[in-house]
Amino acid sequence: DADVTQTPRNRITKTGKRIMLECSQTKGHDRMYWYRQDPGLGLRLIYYSFDVKDINKGEISDGYSVSRQAQAKFSLSLESAIPNQTALYFCATTGTGDADTQYFGPGTRLTVL
Amino acid sequence: GQNIDQPTEMTATEGAIVQINCTYQTSGFNGLFWYQQHAGEAPTFLSYNVLDGLEEKGRFSSFLSRSKGYSYLLLKELQMKDSASYLCAVLDSNYQLIWGAGTKLIIKP
Repeated sequence: DADVTQTPRNRITKTGKRIMLECSQTKGHDRMYWYRQDPGLGLRLIYYSFDVKDINKGEISDGYSVSRQAQAKFSLSLESAIPNQTALYFCATTGTGDADTQYFGPGTRLTVL
Repeated sequence: GQNIDQPTEMTATEGAIVQINCTYQTSGFNGLFWYQQHAGEAPTFLSYNVLDGLEEKGRFSSFLSRSKGYSYLLLKELQMKDSASYLCAVLDSNYQLIWGAGTKLIIKP
């Protein structure tokens, strides 16, 4: 079984809809991250969390929100999706003892029409 | 500002050697990572350098010069499955990863 899972893997939605992307991990890591990736651009950090109840904004948090319901779960919400949020979204985790190496989920391909 | 530069695309021949360069300017430095990413898939960890010098791991090696803000990833005995993007990332003073845009490596037979 994969250590970091994301659901859904693919989603097509319409402008204005609320969307939630889920991430779960079985690695026992305390730190979790949400990134988006667009063609020709590097991974850009949306939000990150160092523990339950800890939420921090990343480089491009506008239009997104997150929830860290438990150590193993970190969800990303788009309250009102817009077309320029069409991208590949990755969740990643890391923990103490891993030298800050991040382990990625398989990604969610989101299309906003 | 923080900046990581790497070539957009490189082409190499199966069985050959290729070097992918990465230069960085960041607020602080706590290590440099290389990841491999096949199209449409998640990045996977390749190497980590925090001290100057060469780290060898099988067919892949990574070099770091902190004084020059420079790293390279060396891939030997190239195989078709090495066709992928290679991402350079620096851990800054806040322990946040700053990512380069990636180098797409095309391997030709």
